[in-house]
Amino acid sequence: QVQLVESGGGVVQPGGSLRLSCAASGFTFSSYGMHWVRQAPGKGLEWVAFIRYDGSNKYYADSVKGRFTISRDNSKNTLYLQMNSLRAEDTAVYYCAKDLRTGGTDPDAFDIWGQGTMVTVSS
Amino acid sequence: SYVLTQPPSVSVAPGQTARITCGGNNIGSKSVHWYQQKPGQAPVLVVYDDSDRPSGIPERFSGSNSGNTATLTISRVEAGDEADYYCQVWDSSSDRFGTGTKVTVL
Repeated sequence: QVQLVESGGGVVQPGGSLRLSCAASGFTFSSYGMHWVRQAPGKGLEWVAFIRYDGSNKYYADSVKGRFTISRDNSKNTLYLQMNSLRAEDTAVYYCAKDLRTGGTDPDAFDIWGQGTMVTVSS
Repeated sequence: SYVLTQPPSVSVAPGQTARITCGGNNIGSKSVHWYQQKPGQAPVLVVYDDSDRPSGIPERFSGSNSGNTATLTISRVEAGDEADYYCQVWDSSSDRFGTGTKVTVL
């Protein structure tokens, strides 16, 4: 079945780095735009980044621009989020999510979500 | 930046109708999507493109969008509908989520 599985979360000190991965299965990964969304403890959803199906377009939330990099390896059906210069306010559960439809120029609704991976930034 | 405003909470008795609003400047010109999130779980898409339902979502969930307000309507509310609900739009190279509404079934 269609599935997204995140990994790579953990505890990191302020200023540190972490790379999250999202393994996709059950669908043609290379045909869909993909997103990272985060949720701080007890808070609402915050969109983080989007990458087009072929990697040609990337967008970022202002809160992470210049510090986070989204990428994908379509040969490995895997999405990544490289997070640098981490801050306490980056502490959250990070979800990867899949666009509903293929081939769009802009991001779409998110029809499949992973279970999330927790990132804690603390000294 | 584009702000989406939702009421923090909505309470409804079983069998009644819950309406959750999402306010934004000229939101009627954008496609609005809605998500349901239960405690400890990932969000689930319940309405996309203002009023379409993904497969597997009950017809009790419906949506509308006009002017400065989009609305998610849950008819014949059940105990299992108790959750947080978020609206979402794409605007100016950025995705936006609403502030979220907690639906409590009395």
